[in-house]
Amino acid sequence: GNSVTQMEGPVTLSEEAFLTINCTYTATGYPSLFWYVQYPGEGLQLLLKATKADDKGSNKGFEATYRKETTSFHLEKGSVQVSDSAVYFCALTQGGSEKLVFGKGTKLTVNP
Amino acid sequence: DTEVTQTPKHLVMGMTNKKSLKCEQHMGHRAMYWYKQKAKKPPELMFVYSYEKLSINESVPSRFSPECPNSSLLNLHLHALQPEDSALYLCASTPVAGGPMDEQYFGPGTRLTVT
Repeated sequence: GNSVTQMEGPVTLSEEAFLTINCTYTATGYPSLFWYVQYPGEGLQLLLKATKADDKGSNKGFEATYRKETTSFHLEKGSVQVSDSAVYFCALTQGGSEKLVFGKGTKLTVNP
Repeated sequence: DTEVTQTPKHLVMGMTNKKSLKCEQHMGHRAMYWYKQKAKKPPELMFVYSYEKLSINESVPSRFSPECPNSSLLNLHLHALQPEDSALYLCASTPVAGGPMDEQYFGPGTRLTVT
């Protein structure tokens, strides 16, 4: 079946540091890939997505590239802010499936 | 309007109570979802409604009863819950269930505490 593996957290960084959160997936065919962010006490918000190989999703300074050869969708940001502190979920869905498959989530804390 | 709304924001109920959670979207989406999220875990799918019909029930106990009265509304009726049912309950919607490129839009959730 389909699955998503994320790097274990928590991740603690200083403001303006570089962020990478690794995400790899297992799926048959060509899934769509997503990063969702959950701020404390809130629901999930879509951060970015990519729907085919070599697509790059980007939003709010975050980027992730759909790499089919390595089955990866790593999240990066060049300079994190305190306001980026949240839990980040990598997820996939596949055509014909009603289900969104989540990774376990990575908690990011950014200190001033 | 790209918002999914959920009420109430917080709910405390006893094990003998009956209560309902409500979810609403006005984006014209025809698929709606209920998820349960425990602390420090990803959301777990409970139910999927597609075109107002229940299409997935992930073996959820019968003390949770979903209802989709119309294409904009989704309810979750709660009865005789257990303390382990305490969690954040999230509603989500997407244009069509199974659309390969469509993200799910999540509401802010209802924080449920069962005493």
